[in-house]
Amino acid sequence: AQSVTQPDIHITVSEGASLELRCNYSYGATPYLFWYVQSPGQGLQLLLKYFSGDTLVQGIKGFEAEFKRSQSSFNLRKPSVHWSDAAEYFCAVVNTGTASKLTFGTGTRLQVTL
Amino acid sequence: GAVVSQHPSWVICKSGTSVKIECRSLDFQATTMFWYRQFPKQSLMLMATSNEGSKATYEQGVEKDKFLINHASLTLSTLTVTSAHPEDSSFYICSARDRGMWAFFGQGTRLTVV
Repeated sequence: AQSVTQPDIHITVSEGASLELRCNYSYGATPYLFWYVQSPGQGLQLLLKYFSGDTLVQGIKGFEAEFKRSQSSFNLRKPSVHWSDAAEYFCAVVNTGTASKLTFGTGTRLQVTL
Repeated sequence: GAVVSQHPSWVICKSGTSVKIECRSLDFQATTMFWYRQFPKQSLMLMATSNEGSKATYEQGVEKDKFLINHASLTLSTLTVTSAHPEDSSFYICSARDRGMWAFFGQGTRLTVV
């Protein structure tokens, strides 16, 4: 079965600093990978996704992620963080063999200091 | 992007009563809808997968008689929490999948059972 690990439970960065959120997956085949963001009390918004092709994926709000098969990673990055980026971030993988169910990581809470 | 509307956003009910949560895809046909439960500061736990016109598939440990799911049309799925108890208090989120594989999420429903 597939699994997703987000090693960092909580990260604090200063506004304007760069950001990298880590995500590692365990899946036998080529995974479909996603990053979602959740503001408090809200649903999830899709930031970006990787299905195939270019391993560097651009998303909304200035985020990007790089798929590295050799490291089984799909880390999320942003060059300059804004205070409004403070939220919970979830990495997810889809099992294409089981009705496309998403398996989520445990999430990383991002705090941005001014 | 595609829009998924979940209603209500929050609900408070008395123990022993039933609560219905609606999930609608507003601008696309959702062949599959997923229902998740999220405990405070935790990740999303998939409860069930529903395909239009067929019975929902529940994840292990989820009581199908307690969490009734109906997916009567390509744009509407409902989750009914029957005979709710305080331990059912949680954040419930639906997602809808289009034929392009990725999932769009509703804004979630905060259920409090008193």
